[in-house]
Amino acid sequence: KQEVTQIPAALSVPEGENLVLNCSFTDSAIYNLQWFRQDPGKGLTSLLLIQSSQREQTSGRLNASLDKSSGRSTLYIAASQPGDSATYLCAVDNQGGKLIFGQGTELSVKP
Amino acid sequence: GAVVSQHPSWVICKSGTSVKIECRSLDFQATTMFWYRQFPKQSLMLMATSNEGSKATYEQGVEKDKFLINHASLTLSTLTVTSAHPEDSSFYICSARGYRGDADTQYFGPGTRLTVL
Repeated sequence: KQEVTQIPAALSVPEGENLVLNCSFTDSAIYNLQWFRQDPGKGLTSLLLIQSSQREQTSGRLNASLDKSSGRSTLYIAASQPGDSATYLCAVDNQGGKLIFGQGTELSVKP
Repeated sequence: GAVVSQHPSWVICKSGTSVKIECRSLDFQATTMFWYRQFPKQSLMLMATSNEGSKATYEQGVEKDKFLINHASLTLSTLTVTSAHPEDSSFYICSARGYRGDADTQYFGPGTRLTVL
């Protein structure tokens, strides 16, 4: 059974700092891995999707990497801003669209 | 703009009543829709998978008679919480998967917050 773990559970950083969020999964037979952002009380915003054959994806200040063999992914956020404050969720798809989510990392970027 | 909509965005109901939540794909045909539930301060948990025209497949521990799912068309799936109780209060999110143009994509709805008094 696939299990997804995210560490840390919460993170507080000063504005401008670069940071890394971690995601690990137990079953390496995945189709893809996706990082989402969730603001309080809101739905999900897809940030980056990495196919199983890819190593990384980049979008603006965000970079996500995938190491299938070790069951790990990282989300790198460069030059963090207060507007980046949110919960970041990692999810893996290893069965036709059914996503298994991690518990999330609650990020707070202080001005 | 939104690709997947949910209605209502929030609902408050009395214990014992039934509540229907709609999930619509707005500009593509969703062959598969997924329903997730998120309790406060927790992550999303998959409840069920529905394919158009067939019965939904429920995850272990999810009561199919309590959470009725209908996927009658390629653009609409409904989740009905029957005889709702306070412990059913949660954030319900759907996702729709299908081809949008040439790409096999999956989009999430904005969620429905259910509060059962």
